[in-house]
Amino acid sequence: QVQLVQSGSELKKPGASVKVSCKASGYTFINYNMNWLRQAPGQGPEWMGWINTNTGNAIYAQGFTGRFVFSSDTSVSTAYLEIISLKPEDAAVYYCARQGDSGYEFGPWGQGTLVTVSS
Amino acid sequence: SYELTQPPSMSVSPGQTASITCSGDKLGNKYASWYQQKAGQSPVLVIYQNNKRPSGIPERFSGSNSGNTATLTIGGTQATDEADYYCQAWDSTFVFGGGTKLTVL
Repeated sequence: QVQLVQSGSELKKPGASVKVSCKASGYTFINYNMNWLRQAPGQGPEWMGWINTNTGNAIYAQGFTGRFVFSSDTSVSTAYLEIISLKPEDAAVYYCARQGDSGYEFGPWGQGTLVTVSS
Repeated sequence: SYELTQPPSMSVSPGQTASITCSGDKLGNKYASWYQQKAGQSPVLVIYQNNKRPSGIPERFSGSNSGNTATLTIGGTQATDEADYYCQAWDSTFVFGGGTKLTVL
């Protein structure tokens, strides 16, 4: 079955960087865009953007340009989210989610990666 | 920017029908999707393209979208349906509603 498995929780200091991985299985990795979403405590999901896993081209939503970098490695069917120069307000659960067949929905989602930013 | 509005919470008795609304300008002209998120878990797609159910989603979940309102309907609500529900649409970017906490009691 289609499955996305993300890397584990991270505790980082402000100013540090973090890289979250999302390993896909059960389908052809390059056939679907991979999306990244953020969910702050008590809030709904927020779309950060996507990466075209076939071409490597990335689209970033407003508010997620500059310090957020999407990448992918087709040899291991894995997508990555790197956050540079972490700020306390970056603390959240980060999800990868495969784009749906119609292109307008997300499914499935990874299990989420909690990023904590604290000095 | 485009906004989707949901009631923050609602409650329903077991076996009854729950209808969760999502409002947005001309939402009926867009595709609406719905996600279920149980406590401590990641979101699960339950309705896409307004009224389609992904494989594995029970038939008691249905959706509609017209005018400015999309609706997720859960017929014969069960205790296991207690969760946060989020609507989502595309308007030059992917937008989510604020979520509705469904309590089954």
